[in-house]
Amino acid sequence: AQKITQTQPGMFVQEKEAVTLDCTYDTSDQSYGLFWYKQPSSGEMIFLIYQGSYDEQNATEGRYSLNFQKARKSANLVISASQLGDSAMYFCAMREAQGTDKLIFGTGTRLQVFP
Amino acid sequence: DSGVTQTPKHLITATGQRVTLRCSPRSGDLSVYWYQQSLDQGLQFLIQYYNGEERAKGNILERFSAQQFPDLHSELNLSSLELGDSALYFCASSREQGAWETQYFGPGTRLLVL
Repeated sequence: AQKITQTQPGMFVQEKEAVTLDCTYDTSDQSYGLFWYKQPSSGEMIFLIYQGSYDEQNATEGRYSLNFQKARKSANLVISASQLGDSAMYFCAMREAQGTDKLIFGTGTRLQVFP
Repeated sequence: DSGVTQTPKHLITATGQRVTLRCSPRSGDLSVYWYQQSLDQGLQFLIQYYNGEERAKGNILERFSAQQFPDLHSELNLSSLELGDSALYFCASSREQGAWETQYFGPGTRLLVL
């Protein structure tokens, strides 16, 4: 069964530093998509970055990059040059090509950026 | 702003009541998803509609129902409400179906059942 594991309930990082949020996944499907979302304290879910299982290059979107290691089934989010506005919950999610289109979410990591 | 709208933003009601949550997907998106976020269950998929038809069901209670209308907006109906139904309910939309399609989330409706 598909599963997303985020082992870091909370992380602290100083402004302007880089931070890595861990995500491991479990699936028996060869085709799947991996997503990261940000949830600020206001509650909305903001899409950050996507990685397809067949993508050979790691995805990047501005200050966000995804460190995709398929053999290890990990999809870590790297935020470079952290900003105070990056303080939020971050969720890793997965969709399989087989079955439904539902997103399976991890439990999230709360990131706190301090000055 | 994702382009997905949800109303109302907040809803306070009593046990036993019925409420309707409304969602308008991004322009051109055919697929609509409903998710529930609660403290004990995390983010859980409820149901998916594609171009007016139900496509997938998740952990949706029988007291809950949804539909997608011809203009592609969707409504989630919650009835016989219980305290445990208090949660943040998200609608998301995507252009098409499939694992490669990004789902864009609305701002959510925060439901409090007293």
